[in-house]
Amino acid sequence: GAVVSQHPSRVICKSGTSVKIECRSLDFQATTMFWYRQFPKKSLMLMATSNEGSKATYEQGVEKDKFLINHASLTLSTLTVTSAHPEDSSFYICSARVATGKPGGSFTNNEQFFGPGTRLTVL
Amino acid sequence: AQSVTQPDIHITVSEGASLELRCNYSYGATPYLFWYVQSPGQGLQLLLKYFSGDTLVQGIKGFEAEFKRSQSSFNLRKPSVHWSDAAEYFCAVGGAYGNKLVFGAGTILRVKS
Repeated sequence: GAVVSQHPSRVICKSGTSVKIECRSLDFQATTMFWYRQFPKKSLMLMATSNEGSKATYEQGVEKDKFLINHASLTLSTLTVTSAHPEDSSFYICSARVATGKPGGSFTNNEQFFGPGTRLTVL
Repeated sequence: AQSVTQPDIHITVSEGASLELRCNYSYGATPYLFWYVQSPGQGLQLLLKYFSGDTLVQGIKGFEAEFKRSQSSFNLRKPSVHWSDAAEYFCAVGGAYGNKLVFGAGTILRVKS
């Protein structure tokens, strides 16, 4: 259980185009999904927290107009890199958090399940 | 502020030898602690987690970690390393309710035969 998929796994695009990356929780409902960016030989940098049905919360320094996040359902969040440039080339990883505990939506733990990542190359 | 320090960027061990990867954290409340492993070009796989209770936690692939509150540490151990353990390992800390995870910089493990 608790499988997260990402599509596509790898994408190459021309500078100036937009790219959409999908993150799906396959066997559980995820009220919260996270988007990370990982530079070569670096750790994961949280870009934004996506809550189903509401606007994403972006980390400081992340351009919300550049990285559009939509969390339209309990199993799908999308990240769109708009007008991509070579400096946007990176490994993007999503994670999903299992909502457990009280009916009001609070969590009993903070475990995140990670997708396999998407390698974006902008030419 | 929340932070995680993994002091060792690279570690090389011989196959069959024991392994300890260090992790120190700074967190203002009761921490939830995680170790993840990442193979090149892949996503993260959870090795083990600590929420509460027994401070020695067992994970997958023969890994274990010990939570030491007095030292703010959560070191990962394995008694006998296999060549397939070569990967990058990340320690992460988060809170109990809806808080984001903060990751350490990672430790690259190399296994020599």
